Amino acid sequence: KNEVEQSPQNLTAQEGEFITINCSYSVGISALHWLQQHPGGGIVSLFMLSSGKKKHGRLIATINIQEKHSSLHITASHPRDSAVYICAARVRGSQGNLIFGKGTKLSVKP
Amino acid sequence: AAGVIQSPRHLIKEKRETATLKCYPIPRHDTVYWYQQGPGQDPQFLISFYEKMQSDKGSIPDRFSAQQFSDYHSELNMSSLELGDSALYFCASSLAKAGGGYNEQFFGPGTRLTVL
Repeated sequence: KNEVEQSPQNLTAQEGEFITINCSYSVGISALHWLQQHPGGGIVSLFMLSSGKKKHGRLIATINIQEKHSSLHITASHPRDSAVYICAARVRGSQGNLIFGKGTKLSVKP
Repeated sequence: AAGVIQSPRHLIKEKRETATLKCYPIPRHDTVYWYQQGPGQDPQFLISFYEKMQSDKGSIPDRFSAQQFSDYHSELNMSSLELGDSALYFCASSLAKAGGGYNEQFFGPGTRLTVL
């Protein structure tokens, strides 16, 4: 069992839809990252969370430490949101390196 | 704002050759992480440095070595390259918090290494 698991693995949505990507982890963490990776390969950091909720534009990330679960929401999705979204955990007590989930491939159709 | 710079962006090598990948962190960032992402795989942590000292080690093969220099840039040296080393190699940088703890990591664009 992976220490960081994401669902769904693949997601297809119509433009304008509300999207949720889930992440569960089995280790103690000091922070959780949501990352975006486009087909060219570059990784962009979207959020770093240790508690509660963060919002940036149409993106919202939440985390429930007790349940070891985080969600990434995209409101009013757009084809340019199409990318792989990766959840990555910073394990408590580590030197800051990340353990990555397998990613969720999102495709938003116009 | 300045971002993490990696060079080269693409590299093609033959088996058994050596390769050196470079990473230039965001100015004033003191911590560098290296990750390897194989085709269709999630990134795996290789090694990290804080203030020029190795801070953690992941699944880095013995054929690879790395260091962080006085200007905080880092180099990943890969020898006796194998076909399985073909991957996207990411560098990320962050600024360590006073008293311990870590800030957000910012990723470079990656170096795509192809071993033929």
